[in-house]
Amino acid sequence: ETGVTQSPTHLIKTRGQQVTLRCSSQSGHNTVSWYQQALGQGPQFIFQYYREEENGRGNFPPRFSGLQFPNYSSELNVNALELDDSALYLCASSLGERPDTQYFGPGTRLTVL
Amino acid sequence: LAKTTQPISMDSYEGQEVNITCSHNNIATNDYITWYQQFPSQGPRFIIQGYKTKVTNEVASLFIPADRKSSTLSLPRVSLSDTAVYYCLVVSYSGAGSYQLTFGKGTKLSVIP
Repeated sequence: ETGVTQSPTHLIKTRGQQVTLRCSSQSGHNTVSWYQQALGQGPQFIFQYYREEENGRGNFPPRFSGLQFPNYSSELNVNALELDDSALYLCASSLGERPDTQYFGPGTRLTVL
Repeated sequence: LAKTTQPISMDSYEGQEVNITCSHNNIATNDYITWYQQFPSQGPRFIIQGYKTKVTNEVASLFIPADRKSSTLSLPRVSLSDTAVYYCLVVSYSGAGSYQLTFGKGTKLSVIP
């Protein structure tokens, strides 16, 4: 059974650029959630997808957008990057509409200069 | 939305029982509580989940009083490998098949030999 994987591991961008982060869910899982974790802080919920439909969104601006594909892998897109977007981005997969036991990937460390 | 509060840090000696409490005063009727463990440079890992009263699994217990305004994670006989950050997460159903996930800021547990 393959766990949750994320790519890339690290990324450096400059302010104003756009970035796409990718997540491959654990086998059989149909829900994926994305989080932003600043250094020393708890994860902040960005949004969640269940069977390719967004079914939850945190307090993040529209420049944070996402997709879930038919194989339940997912993308997080961030436009017009700001310095404060520098953080660890985590995705988690789970089975079912309600996000019960979530399995997290190792994260993508994004640095915005 | 539920707001969570946890102690910033705790110290414990090896072999002792550790109790970490999370306050979630405005928890709603259908919300439930989950706890996660996170080591440096890793994604969080599921520990336990509950709605009310007491839940126990092979690694921890979760106590939730009748008013559900707090929850306590209990780790029996901690070892050095339990040194990590522990997060409580409140999962809220916000209607129309939509969910909100609110992590606490985390409690850094240091286990001392």
